[in-house]
Order: sequence, then structure tokens, then C-alpha cells
Amino acid sequence: AQSVTQLDSQVPVFEEAPVELRCNYSSSVSVYLFWYVQYPNQGLQLLLKYLSGSTLVKGINGFEAEFNKSQTSFHLRKPSVHISDTAEYFCAVSRNAANAGGTSYGKLTFGQGTILTVHP
Amino acid sequence: DTEVTQTPKHLVMGMTNKKSLKCEQHMGHRAMYWYKQKAKKPPELMFVYSYEKLSINESVPSRFSPECPNSSLLNLHLHALQPEDSALYLCASSHSWGALRSYNEQFFGPGTRLTVL
Repeated sequence: AQSVTQLDSQVPVFEEAPVELRCNYSSSVSVYLFWYVQYPNQGLQLLLKYLSGSTLVKGINGFEAEFNKSQTSFHLRKPSVHISDTAEYFCAVSRNAANAGGTSYGKLTFGQGTILTVHP
Repeated sequence: DTEVTQTPKHLVMGMTNKKSLKCEQHMGHRAMYWYKQKAKKPPELMFVYSYEKLSINESVPSRFSPECPNSSLLNLHLHALQPEDSALYLCASSHSWGALRSYNEQFFGPGTRLTVL
């Protein structure tokens, strides 16, 4: 089984400041990693994903994340945030096709979420 | 078209009512999902359909009844719900694990906000 820990439940930051949202995962097999954003009263939108290859992944809206296998982390960063980035952010993992057998495949395991609040 | 649509946007129902939630996608995805999300919590998986067949049921009470009439549509039938079932219900879709793109990138709809009185 896998698990995801988002280390901060809330992150307040001022506009144009950099931000890092932390995510650690635990899994006995290789996983895919995702960051989703949820704006108030909306569904989830994929920001970026790590499947394989380069450990630095760039996503939409100026976000990027770095996969660190030794530290089992996948932290999300943005060098300069905007008011419009205020939202809840979820880190998620899933097994890949090679090691997911049976009913565990097709399932995303989410972290508890981090609420990012950008102040003017 | 990379959109998952859900109707209705909001639903208020009594504990004796029967209602249905609808989800639609036209991305050719053969896996579709229902999630329940309570406030300030992550989505919780309820059901997964693959190629129109129920693949995963996460021990959901029988008052929730999913249906997948075709590859583009997913319904969730509701009957005799309890107030604690009030939540945001999210639908998602992805390529199925039989496809080449097996990394399970899920596309989410905007959700139906359900209130049970």
C-alpha cells in the first residue's frame, strides 16, 4: 500500500513571494506522482505529473515539482505567486501498470491537502 | 474536448427521495470514477468502472448505486440518503489500464454539491 503526507495543512504567503508545498510519499513499489489544484467549489485540475525521466517536472500556471527518490518527496514550487493561486493543493500517487495488480490499479492515493492563501 | 461534465451542479434532497447524478466525457476514456469529498478533505474513491463494468466498489453503502450505460456516461443513483452523505460528488475519467497510456491521469468534473436534509 502507499500513503501520502502533505506536511503543511495551510500555507499563507504574500503575493509575488516564492512558495513551496511539501509532499512525502511511502510506497514499496514504483509510483507515479501528481499534483492537483482545487479552486473553491470546483473539481480537481492536474497541475503536473511525474512518470519517469527528468526529476524536475514543469506544470501549468508556472508551477514545478522535483521528484527526490532518496527522500521520497515530490515538493511543489512556484517562484512568484499570484492572488489567483489561492486554492487547495493535493499531492497524489498511483502505482504504475507494471506493478499494480488487481484492484489496486486505477486508484489514486491523495494527501490531506494544503490550503495556499496568497495575500496582497 | 478534454472536459468532464456533471449535472446537476447543486442538489438538495430529502432522506426519502430518489435522485441521480450524471457524468459525461467524450475523451474516449474507458475508465470512470466516482469520488465523495467532504469539506477540507481529499476525495475518497467510491467506484471505478472499466469498459463499462464495475471494477472497484470501495465498500460503499447500497443507498448509492452506480451505473455506466455506455462508455461516455456514468450515473450515480441515490436513494434513502442520510444527512452525513452531504458532500461534493466528483466524477473523473482516465484511459484504462489496458491502454498504452497507463499512468492513470484522471480528469475531474466540477462536481455536484449534494445536500441531504
